[in-house]
Amino acid sequence: DAGVIQSPRHEVTEMGQEVTLRCKPISGHNSLFWYRQTMMRGLELLIYFNNNVPIDDSGMPEDRFSAKMPNASFSTLKIQPSEPRDSAVYFCASSLIGSNQPQHFGDGTRLSIL
Amino acid sequence: QKEVEQDPGPLSVPEGAIVSLNCTYSNSAFQYFMWYRQYSRKGPELLMYTYSSGNKEDGRFTAQVDKSSKYISLFIRDSQPSDSATYLCAMRVGSNYQLIWGAGTKLIIKP
Repeated sequence: DAGVIQSPRHEVTEMGQEVTLRCKPISGHNSLFWYRQTMMRGLELLIYFNNNVPIDDSGMPEDRFSAKMPNASFSTLKIQPSEPRDSAVYFCASSLIGSNQPQHFGDGTRLSIL
Repeated sequence: QKEVEQDPGPLSVPEGAIVSLNCTYSNSAFQYFMWYRQYSRKGPELLMYTYSSGNKEDGRFTAQVDKSSKYISLFIRDSQPSDSATYLCAMRVGSNYQLIWGAGTKLIIKP
């Protein structure tokens, strides 16, 4: 079975540019999570969707960050304008809804803002 | 103080040794406890998932939860070089989707 698929795997861009990260969750999963991982702060939850609806975006650092889930099989995380401090690895994870359901992660997008 | 504490290591042991990885936590409401393994440049991969207290075994891996001490452990028997990775603990309150993560322990198994 295909796992969570993220693209691109690597992104290098200049400060001020728009960045769009993409995620395809596991088929049948109805919860989707966007995380950011850095050495300093570890894994941080940015936003959480249930049935394509954003439930909690309190982890989104600033208005420069936005996320959408237009359908059950696709989500985007956009940064506009990007800044060097946004450099990190961004992960998408999906799960079935339910408190006992584990999250399954993609392999992440390594983002470098110059 | 962080809600979940985990020694970042690195922890270096010889091949074949028994490895013990640990996390402590402060929130007694946590009910679900997970161990994820993360290889370099890959996403975290669920390794073990336990509910409440007790032990759970899966092959060479054993997860242990001691709620009275607010302490969880992951034991790896007959460790292999392929076990070299970062191990992250995560936990959550039953009704809450949000995982609280440890910082991760980097494990190195020397051949």
